[in-house]
Amino acid sequence: EAQVTQNPRYLITVTGKKLTVTCSQNMNHEYMSWYRQDPGLGLRQIYYSMNVEVTDKGDVPEGYKVSRKEKRNFPLILESPSPNQTSLYFCASSSYPTGAGANVLTFGAGSRLTVL
Amino acid sequence: AQSVTQLDSQVPVFEEAPVELRCNYSSSVSVYLFWYVQYPNQGLQLLLKYLSGSTLVKGINGFEAEFNKSQTSFHLRKPSVHISDTAEYFCAVFNDYKLSFGAGTTVTVRA
Repeated sequence: EAQVTQNPRYLITVTGKKLTVTCSQNMNHEYMSWYRQDPGLGLRQIYYSMNVEVTDKGDVPEGYKVSRKEKRNFPLILESPSPNQTSLYFCASSSYPTGAGANVLTFGAGSRLTVL
Repeated sequence: AQSVTQLDSQVPVFEEAPVELRCNYSSSVSVYLFWYVQYPNQGLQLLLKYLSGSTLVKGINGFEAEFNKSQTSFHLRKPSVHISDTAEYFCAVFNDYKLSFGAGTTVTVRA
């Protein structure tokens, strides 16, 4: 089944304790992206990646890091989490999103993170 | 820069009544437009998309949307809603490798 898998789905942590949210897709998609969802703000893009070793900042990159060493994986790293990073996070992927063939994002199920 | 404004944060509607969710966008270049739906405790799934061509776009579950370039709008409609349409709906604009979402509209369908 074509899917985007995120782990963990739920996590409670404390301020300053580094954590990684993994994201893996099995569709051979070039494009991957991370979003955070907060009430009243919709989804905001954190980082995106056009392909292996190609990443760029989205609208809210502060406090986050990403890497794209393999095509299928796009982990989100919080080096020193803070309470304002408490949110619902979504990973998404699509085939190369340009031109008339702009493709639809496939979303993961979400990871709910609480930082105390 | 681009932005998306969903004009209604909450839309209560009775079952079998029509519903319209309003979306306006701002962008200086051509864009691709999408509507996504998020059912409770789930991820997002695509309802429909506009890339080019006919300005009236039909999607899944009986939804349709109309692209209006002069008004920079992409309103979503359904002529008769069901209880199962209760969800949050997001309008999104794609341009320059970025997909920007609106704040969302929560639709609550009542019997």
